[in-house]
Amino acid sequence: DTAVSQTPKYLVTQMGNDKSIKCEQNLGHDTMYWYKQDSKKFLKIMFSYNNKELIINETVPNRFSPKSPDKAHLNLHINSLELGDSAVYFCASSAGLTKGADTQYFGPGTRLTVL
Amino acid sequence: QKEVEQDPGPLSVPEGAIVSLNCTYSNSAFQYFMWYRQYSRKGPELLMYTYSSGNKEDGRFTAQVDKSSKYISLFIRDSQPSDSATYLCAMSDSGGYQKVTFGTGTKLQVIP
Repeated sequence: DTAVSQTPKYLVTQMGNDKSIKCEQNLGHDTMYWYKQDSKKFLKIMFSYNNKELIINETVPNRFSPKSPDKAHLNLHINSLELGDSAVYFCASSAGLTKGADTQYFGPGTRLTVL
Repeated sequence: QKEVEQDPGPLSVPEGAIVSLNCTYSNSAFQYFMWYRQYSRKGPELLMYTYSSGNKEDGRFTAQVDKSSKYISLFIRDSQPSDSATYLCAMSDSGGYQKVTFGTGTKLQVIP
């Protein structure tokens, strides 16, 4: 049983297009995250939602818009794709503890290539 | 300067060696420290989670935190080829679901 799943796994698209990445978790977690990992493996938080409420919103271009229809899903929509958006995007989830060890479980990643 | 610095490697060791992976950080508010392992083309998975200074052991893995030096380490004893992966340190000031800052990762290769 896949705990955190993402679709699609690979996404190749032209500059200027709009695309979405979907994420679902079946762990019953309250918190979900989107991370961007660049070619040098640097993993940077973009957004997080706790009980469908936006908690973390890092300095990300407003072309990126997360949407959480329910606690089990967090989608990422990207408008007007640019070359610099090429990266691996990871979704993660955690129980949503307010303190202490709140282990994050990562999905397999979506490899986005913008041509 | 990044908040969390990690030697990118790659680090290549023979099977059975003791491996030391390290991170330094600049934010003295960090209290929660994690090590994640990421296999090629997979998502990171949590290996160790420690709070404040001290040591924590789990099987062949030992995590050390020295807050006075702003330095954390992960030791792997009797390294195995299956340990070949990228190791990411991560840290947080308030724990819970608050922001976690990751290092850039060290790529480890264990040669049989």
